[in-house]
Amino acid sequence: GENVEQHPSTLSVQEGDSAVIKCTYSDSASNYFPWYKQELGKRPQLIIDIRSNVGEKKDQRIAVTLNKTAKHFSLHITETQPEDSAVYFCAASIRSGGSYIPTFGRGTSLIVHP
Amino acid sequence: GAVVSQHPSWVICKSGTSVKIECRSLDFQATTMFWYRQFPKQSLMLMATSNEGSKATYEQGVEKDKFLINHASLTLSTLTVTSAHPEDSSFYICSATRRESDTQYFGPGTRLTVL
Repeated sequence: GENVEQHPSTLSVQEGDSAVIKCTYSDSASNYFPWYKQELGKRPQLIIDIRSNVGEKKDQRIAVTLNKTAKHFSLHITETQPEDSAVYFCAASIRSGGSYIPTFGRGTSLIVHP
Repeated sequence: GAVVSQHPSWVICKSGTSVKIECRSLDFQATTMFWYRQFPKQSLMLMATSNEGSKATYEQGVEKDKFLINHASLTLSTLTVTSAHPEDSSFYICSATRRESDTQYFGPGTRLTVL
């Protein structure tokens, strides 16, 4: 089955710095890669996603890049703010029947110091 | 749009009892619902995938007879933890997707504590 590795497990930055979280996946059939932000005790919130026919996507301070050949994708957050502090999960999804089955990374705890 | 609710948000029960958790898509038809378990400071572990009107597909290592999943309608799926034990204490989260869609919408989660 699919295996998703996520690094680092913890990332501490100063407010205003950039943060980069990287994920690798094993199954070349994966074709949908969402990123979720989860605050303590709350539901994961989709912050950005990318599909396998695109190499990069940007939404304000957040961007995601995908390298299908190398099977890795990354989340980039610029001008970090304290409210960006949370756990971030990447996922790689494979279509199975009519559903897209995700495999999640282990998560990255991002801490933004004011 | 795409709101998913879960009920209850938290539950405390005695060992040996059964607990039912509901997951509802409030403003869309969810052809597929997923059930996850999450331990503190850990990732989301997929337990099962549930398609409306058919039996759930369980992930390896998840006991079908212990975690009963029903997806009887396009807006409701239930997870019943049978004969709960303290090791079943966890945060259970559902998510839902539309037909042929890859985007998942998560519920707020249910905190289960088994005494």
